[in-house]
Amino acid sequence: QKEVEQNSGPLSVPEGAIASLNCTYSDRVSQSFFWYRQYSGKSPELIMSIYSNGDKEDGRFTAQLNKASQYVSLLIRDSQPSDSATYLCAVSPYGGATNKLIFGTGTLLAVQP
Amino acid sequence: SAVISQKPSRDICQRGTSLTIQCQVDSQVTMMFWYRQQPGQSLTLIATANQGSEATYESGFVIDKFPISRPNLTFSTLTVSNMSPEDSSIYLCSVVLATNEKLFFGSGTQLSVL
Repeated sequence: QKEVEQNSGPLSVPEGAIASLNCTYSDRVSQSFFWYRQYSGKSPELIMSIYSNGDKEDGRFTAQLNKASQYVSLLIRDSQPSDSATYLCAVSPYGGATNKLIFGTGTLLAVQP
Repeated sequence: SAVISQKPSRDICQRGTSLTIQCQVDSQVTMMFWYRQQPGQSLTLIATANQGSEATYESGFVIDKFPISRPNLTFSTLTVSNMSPEDSSIYLCSVVLATNEKLFFGSGTQLSVL
């Protein structure tokens, strides 16, 4: 069983729609959760972090965490073609990222104009 | 965030040779890591670069193949030794900033081994 699982996609949504990206993890003691965006040929960039159950909003992005169900999701409102990228979920057993992060394989998002 | 300079950005190397990748950060960091991203796959941690001491390697990675140095807090090198085509990958330096305990990546090194 993979430690961090994501649907590889591609997830195709029309411009202006809400894109919903999901991630499940196997280690119940995980404490910190991160979403990275990776454009083709580029390195990952951090877009959201979440540590507590519930929702965390930052602009058009909302991260949702449910530790009981061991899943974390990322919602992108008003999707734009520039949001087309691979989204990586990362999990750490510790607070912050001071220890190694375990990455999922990523979900490819394609926003259609 | 921080400026994480990684070089070279890409290289094409011959089988059996070695390549050293450099990573320089312009901010205070607590941790430095080296990741590998093979084509179509996610990120795999190679090792934690420890200042002034031997790196801590993950399962499947060894010092003879991937020697790492970190002479000070903001600089590290990764060497890919005795390369084979299976080493063709993107190698990424990453750091945890002291200010926010979040992980940021350098621009990566695209390595192709012929």
